[in-house]
Order: sequence, then C-alpha cells, then structure tokens
Amino acid sequence: AQSVTQLGSHVSVSEGALVLLRCNYSSSVPPYLFWYVQYPNQGLQLLLKYTSAATLVKGINGFEAEFKKSETSFHLTKPSAHMSDAAEYFCAVSDLISSGSARQLTFGSGTQLTVLP
Amino acid sequence: DAGVTQSPTHLIKTRGQQVTLRCSPKSGHDTVSWYQQALGQGPQFIFQYYEEEERQRGNFPDRFSGHQFPNYSSELNVNALLLGDSALYLCASSFYRREAYEQYFGPGTRLTVT
Repeated sequence: AQSVTQLGSHVSVSEGALVLLRCNYSSSVPPYLFWYVQYPNQGLQLLLKYTSAATLVKGINGFEAEFKKSETSFHLTKPSAHMSDAAEYFCAVSDLISSGSARQLTFGSGTQLTVLP
Repeated sequence: DAGVTQSPTHLIKTRGQQVTLRCSPKSGHDTVSWYQQALGQGPQFIFQYYEEEERQRGNFPDRFSGHQFPNYSSELNVNALLLGDSALYLCASSFYRREAYEQYFGPGTRLTVT
C-alpha cells in the first residue's frame, strides 16, 4: 500500500519568506503525487500534480514542487509567502484501483501554514 | 461550468440515526469518490462509484453505503451513527480511466453526531 508522510503539522513563516512544506511518500510503483490546499470550512483545491513528466512541477499561486525519486520526496515550495497562503496543505499519492482504471487518493495528515505579518 | 456540489452544507444528527449526503459531479465526469475527513486529519477514502456500481472500498464498515444514479450523481448513506462519524464528508469527481489523474473536490458536508 502506498503512504504519505508530511513532516511538521504546523509551519510558521513571515510574510515574504520562503515556504517549504515537506512530503515523503512510500510507493512500490512510480507514483502520481499531488498537493492540495484547504481553506477554513472549504473543500480541497488542487495546487499541482506530478504525473511522471517533468520533475519540477509548477502550480497555481506561485507554488512549485520537485519530485526526487532517490529521496522519495515531493516537497512544496514558494519563494515568497503571502498572507493569503495561510491554509492547510495536504500531500497525496494516487493509487490505481485494483481494476486498473480509476484512482483513489491517499493523503498525508496535513500541514497548517501560518503566515506572520 | 459547475464544479462539484454537495448538500447539505451542515447536518446535525443523534447517535443511532441514519443520514444521507448528496453529491453532483463536475460536468462531464462519470466517477464519484467519497472521503471522510475527521478534525485535524487528512481525508480518508470511503468508496468510489462508476456505472452505478461500487468499484473500490476503503477501510470503512458496512454502515457506510452509497449509490450512484444514471446522471452520475451520488449519495452516501451512514446508518446507526456513532459519535466518531462526526467529520467533514468530501465528494470528489473524476473520469474513470487510468490517464485521468485529477480528482475535483466539492466543498463538503459537515456532519455532527451528538
């Protein structure tokens, strides 16, 4: 079974500072990896995805993530934090359903990002 | 283009009762997946429906059941509610083919069991 570990349940950064949210995965096959963001009392919004193309993936709102197979990592970064980035971030790995078709997502436990003025 | 919609937004039930949550997928999508997100945790996969059949199930008891209608909308039913069923229930829609990587999530239904 595939799994995801997010290191640091809470991360605080100052506005304008680098954002780094860590994600490590466990997978027996080449994974498909995702970062989702969740604002209070809302559903999940896809930030970016890795599907075996370029290892550096750019997403929305200035976020990017780099797939490193040797480290089994998919860390999320943003060069300069904005107050509006304060939210919970989830890393997820995609499993193929046993029939070989559609997928289910396995999520990490999330990282709450706080941006300090 | 309407995204994934869920109803109701909030729901309060008593232990032992039954509840039905509803989901309409994003236009064009044919597959609906349900997730449970307990407070402070990541979402956990409950089950997935395609062509009106349950295709895969996560580690949830039989008290959790579902249905998919011909228009691809879906319901999640939970019987004999427990306090531990209190959570945000998320519906996600997608295409049923291996090349379709993305799942689009609705805003969720917040279920409180008292």
